[in-house]
Amino acid sequence: NAGVTQTPKFQVLKTGQSMTLQCAQDMNHNSMYWYRQDPGMGLRLIYYSASEGTTDKGEVPNGYNVSRLNKREFSLRLESAAPSQTSVYFCASSEGNSGYGAYNEQFFGPGTRLTVL
Amino acid sequence: SQQGEEDPQALSIQEGENATMNCSYKTSINNLQWYRQNSGRGLVHLILIRSNEREKHSGRLRVTLDTSKKSSSLLITASRAADTASYFCATVYISGGYNKLIFGAGTRLAVHP
Repeated sequence: NAGVTQTPKFQVLKTGQSMTLQCAQDMNHNSMYWYRQDPGMGLRLIYYSASEGTTDKGEVPNGYNVSRLNKREFSLRLESAAPSQTSVYFCASSEGNSGYGAYNEQFFGPGTRLTVL
Repeated sequence: SQQGEEDPQALSIQEGENATMNCSYKTSINNLQWYRQNSGRGLVHLILIRSNEREKHSGRLRVTLDTSKKSSSLLITASRAADTASYFCATVYISGGYNKLIFGAGTRLAVHP
């Protein structure tokens, strides 16, 4: 099992460009999440999907959109990138559908390091 | 906010010593989780302790939870250079009928050979 995979690993964008970060999990988890991590800070939740077909905003959703394509895949889109979105982005998944499944341990992908110039 | 806060922010020890990291939080929780992050990698789940548990062990890890003080500690015994990483606590609590998980800012642990 690959666990949680993310593509790309690195990306450099110019202000105003758009891009989609891809995430897939092969653990048959119901819940999936997108986080950003900035230097010296913990992870902040951008969006989550409690189950296939549902998505909800987290702490810092502005400037992002998501799509839960199917049970395996959850993508994050930046429509018009800004320097403030320079960060490392992590996708995660977890079992269960209790609330949004946050009760259980989360499994993380390796991250995408994004720089917006 | 509900965010857990780790203490200390950074810890530097010698191999073989014990490392203790603390986490404090603000409101009632369902459970508390500890994660490790090696440099340039994703987070890895270490241990989960439920609100009705006081202590939990996993290998060289020992986690305690004091709900009256709203605090938890992670002890790594007989540390190794490979334990060098950042350690995050994450608190799970109910808000609006849903379980939510909030990460703290982490403790950076350096273990020197």
